[in-house]
Amino acid sequence: QVQLQESGPGLVKPSETLSLTCTVSGGSISNYYWGWVRQPPGKALECVGYIYYSGSANYNPSLKSRVTISVDTSTNQFSLKLNSVTAADAAVYFCARVAYGGWYFDLWGRGTLVTVSS
Amino acid sequence: DIQMTQSPSSLSASVGDRVTITCRASQSITSYLHWYRHEPGKAPNLLIHTASNLQSGVPSRFSGGGSGTDFTLTISTLQPEDSATYYCQQTYSTPWTFGQGTRVEIK
Repeated sequence: QVQLQESGPGLVKPSETLSLTCTVSGGSISNYYWGWVRQPPGKALECVGYIYYSGSANYNPSLKSRVTISVDTSTNQFSLKLNSVTAADAAVYFCARVAYGGWYFDLWGRGTLVTVSS
Repeated sequence: DIQMTQSPSSLSASVGDRVTITCRASQSITSYLHWYRHEPGKAPNLLIHTASNLQSGVPSRFSGGGSGTDFTLTISTLQPEDSATYYCQQTYSTPWTFGQGTRVEIK
């Protein structure tokens, strides 16, 4: 079955760029929207943004100036870049699939913890 | 942004109990309300989509209801494996937003 796996550095320095990749296995990245959700310690889930496999993206306005989500259909991966990070960006980052024909996340990765520290 | 408020923030119940979690939106979201379950270290999983539709593979003891601003998730007969945190999410408008979560503990 389709599985999602996040990967990337677990430690990022303040003011630098957080970069994460989600690998989609067991199925095609095509014809779906794909998203990123984060959860800071002790806080609620926050939708970072999502992207269609063709490249059209929608970002949370609170992060819009700093975030880029991209997709690579040749590798079945999509990526998150968040620049100028601060301690407030420390969180577990989840990648997720938006259900075909529905606006909800029907499949998630297990998440990866990103710490922001010098 | 649409604010989602869940209650209670946590609960403790016994196996076999009926448990209801509520989620209130700060404005009408029609039926664009979804419920997820999450255990630490695991992938969250979708339980209910579009207010009342049981996701494939989810046990029938889970049910959802409501529309507009007020929604519920009910576990009809609590099982030991239902210990987790439950989140509601609205996708009526961007940015999609989540409730703060309800932690369910088994007595």
